[in-house]
Amino acid sequence: QQPVQSPQAVILREGEDAVINCSSSKALYSVHWYRQKHGEAPVFLMILLKGGEQKGHEKISASFNEKKQQSSLYLTASQLSYSGTYFCGTNGGATNKLIFGTGTLLAVQP
Amino acid sequence: NAGVMQNPRHLVRRRGQEARLRCSPMKGHSHVYWYRQLPEEGLKFMVYLQKENIIDESGMPKERFSAEFPKEGPSILRIQQVVRGDSAAYFCASSPPSGYNEQFFGPGTRLTVL
Repeated sequence: QQPVQSPQAVILREGEDAVINCSSSKALYSVHWYRQKHGEAPVFLMILLKGGEQKGHEKISASFNEKKQQSSLYLTASQLSYSGTYFCGTNGGATNKLIFGTGTLLAVQP
Repeated sequence: NAGVMQNPRHLVRRRGQEARLRCSPMKGHSHVYWYRQLPEEGLKFMVYLQKENIIDESGMPKERFSAEFPKEGPSILRIQQVVRGDSAAYFCASSPPSGYNEQFFGPGTRLTVL
């Protein structure tokens, strides 16, 4: 039931790009992306809604394939501050609760 | 423009004691969510509340755990007779009454059970 994220971990150098994928076995109404640094709270990045609406961060983009129940987060020209664990949170529409994915650890090196 | 507030930030309890975690949502937000994060793991949904109502408690353990969001005051997550397995970070999030259901997280309460 928990969405599966891939890759589990990725190491980048500053300026490189990364794609993080989130795949659910259930029909989705929305997908929410968060970044969490160690010992801190998750920080909201992006929300994607069924039907194509998006709302979120200026420097981060994402896609949502409703038919495949998948979402991808695109990080371009990565900065050191992008390091952290990225979680997708999925919502099936029945209530507002989010089911979070397995997480992707991103490390950006100078 | 205060964000979601949680207190205490750190809580130490001995086995068998009670833990009370508090959450004040962002101004204008009427929906509150509690999530638990075990060490080195992801976030697990526990409960979703609106003022004076529990909307979805499908993630709450059947025993020892309860939550409320009264008409006045913060939301409370209560854990009775704590056990070592309850040691975790407990995050509260809030969202506005309308819109896209963006959930903003508080700093969390780190519960340690000795």
